[in-house]
Amino acid sequence: DIQMTQSPSSVSASVGDRVTITCRASQGITNWLAWYQQKPGKPPKLLIYGASSLLGGVPSRFSGSGSGTDFTLTISSLQPEDFATYYCQQANSFPFTFGGGTKVEIK
Amino acid sequence: QVQLQESGPGLVKPSQILSLTCTVSGGSISSGDYYWSWIRQPPGKGLEWIGYMYYSGSTFYNPSLKSRVTISVDTAKNQFSLRLSSVTDADTAVYYCVRRITGGRWYFDVWGRGTLVTVSS
Repeated sequence: DIQMTQSPSSVSASVGDRVTITCRASQGITNWLAWYQQKPGKPPKLLIYGASSLLGGVPSRFSGSGSGTDFTLTISSLQPEDFATYYCQQANSFPFTFGGGTKVEIK
Repeated sequence: QVQLQESGPGLVKPSQILSLTCTVSGGSISSGDYYWSWIRQPPGKGLEWIGYMYYSGSTFYNPSLKSRVTISVDTAKNQFSLRLSSVTDADTAVYYCVRRITGGRWYFDVWGRGTLVTVSS
């Protein structure tokens, strides 16, 4: 299985801050990577697929980049509704696997 | 707009069978446009993909669960189901039914609200 490692596991930030989350795959996955946002008690919500394509309706302050093994999710200006846990997921090969999550907390 | 809703027992005894059903509304499983999966999340932990099914009945399972899992479809009821046998504490989780995004790659764009299944005697 492809292991997905996210860092940091948590980050404290203020409204308006730029936040960057990293996801590393244990082997190359080209650009077959997604990012999800999950709020407490809710299912994950797909934000980005193909490493950098925003799903319709996702605010443009979210962006994704990377290819191969190293990927980044950036929130350019953190908003109150962005405090949540973020997961990456590889879609390159079965079984599909997720990172351990990064919790974005209010500073 | 497609919506998914999980249903089934919230408590299962160890060694018994966990059975859940996902009802799809706002779209037809039989359209063939999508693949359907189950994903689970133990309390306070990360996500684990369990397997998928296609309306034709074809399936694929996570090797870590393959010996215990069955996903089936009932096109007449527009539902698909998860069956997990010989459950243990480690199977306690919120179980989500999900839809794969159209276009051929395994991203999940529609999720049910999830249902917590606790394995306990």
